[in-house]
Amino acid sequence: KAGVTQTPRYLIKTRGQQVTLSCSPISGHRSVSWYQQTPGQGLQFLFEYFSETQRNKGNFPGRFSGRQFSNSRSEMNVSTLELGDSALYLCASRWRGARGTGELFFGEGSRLTVL
Amino acid sequence: KNEVEQSPQNLTAQEGEFITINCSYSVGISALHWLQQHPGGGIVSLFMLSSGKKKHGRLIATINIQEKHSSLHITASHPRDSAVYICAVSNSQGAQKLVFGQGTRLTINP
Repeated sequence: KAGVTQTPRYLIKTRGQQVTLSCSPISGHRSVSWYQQTPGQGLQFLFEYFSETQRNKGNFPGRFSGRQFSNSRSEMNVSTLELGDSALYLCASRWRGARGTGELFFGEGSRLTVL
Repeated sequence: KNEVEQSPQNLTAQEGEFITINCSYSVGISALHWLQQHPGGGIVSLFMLSSGKKKHGRLIATINIQEKHSSLHITASHPRDSAVYICAVSNSQGAQKLVFGQGTRLTINP
């Protein structure tokens, strides 16, 4: 079955702009989580969505937001971009149910450069 | 002090050597993950474990819940094992609120 698909793979924006990234999970996975990876801070958890509801949120400012659609696809948005938002943004999907959660499957990431 | 600490940060070895990467954590967890990241960024989940030991091919992961410590072992290492290995924990409050270690950069020379 198809893996986790993230689009776009690369993008360049300027300070003050906004950006929307998309993540299509593995079929049947209703849980999608987002992560930011930078050389200085490493990997950091942004948020998790399950059944169209945000279930957990990391320590990021309100400029970072997301949503999940009824088909489990998820988008994240960063408004008023800053230079420090330049990073690799990764999403992961997993099966999640009353009996627990499965392993994470990551997408290839969206590499954002803010100039 | 970070909630998840890995050691060593960098490791260079010769092909065939037995490799051990360690992960210590300070929070209560529901599960611990070992991830592999190759240059270019893609991350692959190697193991998810909450107790005991798991084995997949040449890779073995162990966890000691009482000591809050996990190890990833690679037997008969190969240059294709060269990658960054990342330990991450799911805390008790949120199954997917992962906290990551800083990663271990492994280089296997032929």
